[in-house]
Amino acid sequence: AQKITQTQPGMFVQEKEAVTLDCTYDTSDPSYGLFWYKQPSSGEMIFLIYQGSYDQQNATEGRYSLNFQKARKSANLVISASQLGDSAMYFCAMRERQAGTALIFGKGTTLSVSS
Amino acid sequence: DADVTQTPRNRITKTGKRIMLECSQTKGHDRMYWYRQDPGLGLQLIYYSFDVKDINKGEISDGYSVSRQAQAKFSLSLESAIPNQTALYFCATSSGGTGELFFGEGSRLTVL
Repeated sequence: AQKITQTQPGMFVQEKEAVTLDCTYDTSDPSYGLFWYKQPSSGEMIFLIYQGSYDQQNATEGRYSLNFQKARKSANLVISASQLGDSAMYFCAMRERQAGTALIFGKGTTLSVSS
Repeated sequence: DADVTQTPRNRITKTGKRIMLECSQTKGHDRMYWYRQDPGLGLQLIYYSFDVKDINKGEISDGYSVSRQAQAKFSLSLESAIPNQTALYFCATSSGGTGELFFGEGSRLTVL
């Protein structure tokens, strides 16, 4: 079974609008972390945001926020006020404490922002 | 200079050739990783190392080997490359803690 599921292969949004990228995860470890990375067309992996399983508040980093719904095992990325430079592939990833620090990645969602 | 450096950045080789991808880091992290990215499949873990004497297989280690020459250096080898090893390869490091990975710029390998 997939540990990280990203069901949206592609998403389209207009500039200045908000967009939500979905991520669901599967783990029985009570201690885990969830990450989002951005991969522009140039190929590098850019860390965006982190949420720990015991964190009480949803993580936020500038225009990025993580909508963490623990009971539903979802960790959706919300990008507010989209910009053309947000066009990229976005990966959700999870670290389980029992598995050490290796991250497991989803298959990614391609976001296209238009003017 | 990048904190995590991969060489070569691009390589084209032929089936059956031995290939080494090298990774060096200046972040002082103990933990290093090799991932492979194929279109539509995300990143898959090949090998990881928590220190010089600790090497662990990831989910897709068949056909690959690694060497941790020093805390700062972690190399990935393909002993006899095959076309389905054509992919983008990433080296990454972490310090533990949250487990955030710091990635190199990637090595694009094409096996003909």
